[in-house]
Amino acid sequence: GDSVTQMEGPVTLSEEAFLTINCTYTATGYPSLFWYVQYPGEGLQLLLKATKADDKGSNKGFEATYRKETTSFHLEKGSVQVSDSAVYFCALKRNNAGNMLTFGGGTRLMVKP
Amino acid sequence: DGGITQSPKYLFRKEGQNVTLSCEQNLNHDAMYWYRQDPGQGLRLIYYSQIVNDFQKGDIAEGYSVSREKKESFPLTVTSAQKNPTAFYLCASSHRVQDEQFFGPGTRLTVL
Repeated sequence: GDSVTQMEGPVTLSEEAFLTINCTYTATGYPSLFWYVQYPGEGLQLLLKATKADDKGSNKGFEATYRKETTSFHLEKGSVQVSDSAVYFCALKRNNAGNMLTFGGGTRLMVKP
Repeated sequence: DGGITQSPKYLFRKEGQNVTLSCEQNLNHDAMYWYRQDPGQGLRLIYYSQIVNDFQKGDIAEGYSVSREKKESFPLTVTSAQKNPTAFYLCASSHRVQDEQFFGPGTRLTVL
């Protein structure tokens, strides 16, 4: 079945550091890929997405590129802020299987001033 | 303001009691979903509904029940048959099943 694997956290960085959160997936066909962010005590918000190979999703300084050859969708940001502290979830959705999202386990990011 | 509301934010219940979690949306979305989130784990789908008066089991439906009598409402009942009910429950909705999902703020249920 489909699965998403994320690097375990927590990831602790100083402000303005470079961020990478790894995400790899297993799925048949060509799924759409997503990054969601969950701030403390809140629900999930869609951060960015990519629907086909080599697409780059970007939002709020975050980027992720759909790499079919390595089945990866790593999240990056050049300079993190304290306000980026949250839990980040990688997810996939097979385009021919309705709208059922498969989530990774989440990676907690802590940014210190 | 359009959005998804879940109430209450925190809920406590004694073991053996059924409890119903509320989810309401005013986005005019056809599809609604319930997820469970456990510490250090991703979200797992409990139930989903594509349209009023219709719902389907997700990956972990055992011990849960839902209803979809109105388009804007999709309540989830956690029954006494659910062996580990303590968790964070998230409701979501989308215009149609194939569209982007929007999430509510969640309800943290603690069974004592």
